[in-house]
Amino acid sequence: EIVLTQSPGTLSLSPGARATLSCRASQSVDSSFLAWYQQKPGQAPRLLFYGASSRATGIPDRFSGSGSGTDFTLIISRLEPEDFAMYYCQQYGSSPGTFGQGTKVEIK
Amino acid sequence: ELQLVESGGGLVQPGRSLRLSCGASGFTFDDYAMHWVRQVPGKGLEWVSGISWNSGSLGYVDSVKGRFTISRDNAKNSLYLQMNSLRVEDTALYYCVRGDSSGWYRNWFDGWGQGTLVTVSS
Repeated sequence: EIVLTQSPGTLSLSPGARATLSCRASQSVDSSFLAWYQQKPGQAPRLLFYGASSRATGIPDRFSGSGSGTDFTLIISRLEPEDFAMYYCQQYGSSPGTFGQGTKVEIK
Repeated sequence: ELQLVESGGGLVQPGRSLRLSCGASGFTFDDYAMHWVRQVPGKGLEWVSGISWNSGSLGYVDSVKGRFTISRDNAKNSLYLQMNSLRVEDTALYYCVRGDSSGWYRNWFDGWGQGTLVTVSS
């Protein structure tokens, strides 16, 4: 089973700042089969990216995803108030698909 | 608009059974694999089980193999999870989730219900 480690656990930033979230895999993720999700309190997760860098429908372009192999990154270029939330990465290249433990982006 | 509505959660004693249901609308249900993903409140996400569009292929996380059974009824646009021999550690919010393709393997998840809470406690 591939273990995903997200860092940092919590990111405290001001609106307008740049957020850089990391997701590191315990072994290489096949063909960049990595997704990112955003979850707000009391809500279900929402897909942000699949294939490491393909933006899901309706996701603003201030969000970007990148990476390959074992290292993946989600960047939010300028934080908007609605971006403060929990973010999870997921690898789906091998079974079972697994999630990282999450990074919380909170208002500083 | 895609809609997934779970039901069937509740409080159950260890060792007992529970059956979750999920009603789907807003998309062609039998074009897609479906999954169950769970989340302990305040904690992370865990994929539980997946089923291909025609029920021909199934997958489970090791911790539920032999206890949980996923199924679907395409005529009713419904997904199910039969949970037997429940354990305290199965306590979680269970989400019904749409996969991105017809096979359950190698899916990202592009549609989520709001979840149904399962609490296993004596």
